Amino acid sequence: AQSVTQLDSQVPVFEEAPVELRCNYSSSVSVYLFWYVQYPNQGLQLLLKYLSGSTLVKGINGFEAEFNKSQTSFHLRKPSVHISDTAEYFCAVSERGGADGLTFGKGTHLIIQP
Amino acid sequence: DTGVSQNPRHKITKRGQNVTFRCDPISEHNRLYWYRQTLGQGPEFLTYFQNEAQLEKSRLLSDRFSAERPKGSFSTLEIQRTEQGDSAMYLCASSFAGNQPQHFGDGTRLSIL
Repeated sequence: AQSVTQLDSQVPVFEEAPVELRCNYSSSVSVYLFWYVQYPNQGLQLLLKYLSGSTLVKGINGFEAEFNKSQTSFHLRKPSVHISDTAEYFCAVSERGGADGLTFGKGTHLIIQP
Repeated sequence: DTGVSQNPRHKITKRGQNVTFRCDPISEHNRLYWYRQTLGQGPEFLTYFQNEAQLEKSRLLSDRFSAERPKGSFSTLEIQRTEQGDSAMYLCASSFAGNQPQHFGDGTRLSIL
């Protein structure tokens, strides 16, 4: 079975500063990786995905993530954050050829300070 | 693409009552998923359907929970004899195929009095 660890429950960042949200996963097989964002009282919105190919993945709203197989990581980055980026961010994994449900981390609350 | 729709958005009920939630997926998606999210946690997988067939159920889905997708379109999730621990946000998602990105609805928040 796979698992996901998001190392930081909360990350405060000043507006226009860069940010990195960390995600590590554990799985005995190859995986697909996802980052989702959740605003208060809403469902999850897909930011980006890694299915195969280039390990650097670009998503919506200026976010990108890099898949590192040797370190089993999929960290999310943005070079310059805005107040509107304040939200909860979830990393998720599913196993290639395996069960289809996503396994999520506990989330990282990104707090943008003016 | 009208998105995934869930009803109701909020449900308040007394312990011991039965509740039913509905999910309407994106129309061309044949996979439909249910998740549960408690406060401060990430969503936890409950079950999923491919068309009308329920293909996987998590151990979290106790005997009091039942999900259906009778015609391969909308789905319902019923919880019988609700307990305090059932209080959570219940999220529905759909996808075009397996291991493709899942699109989530806004969820149904269940509160047990």
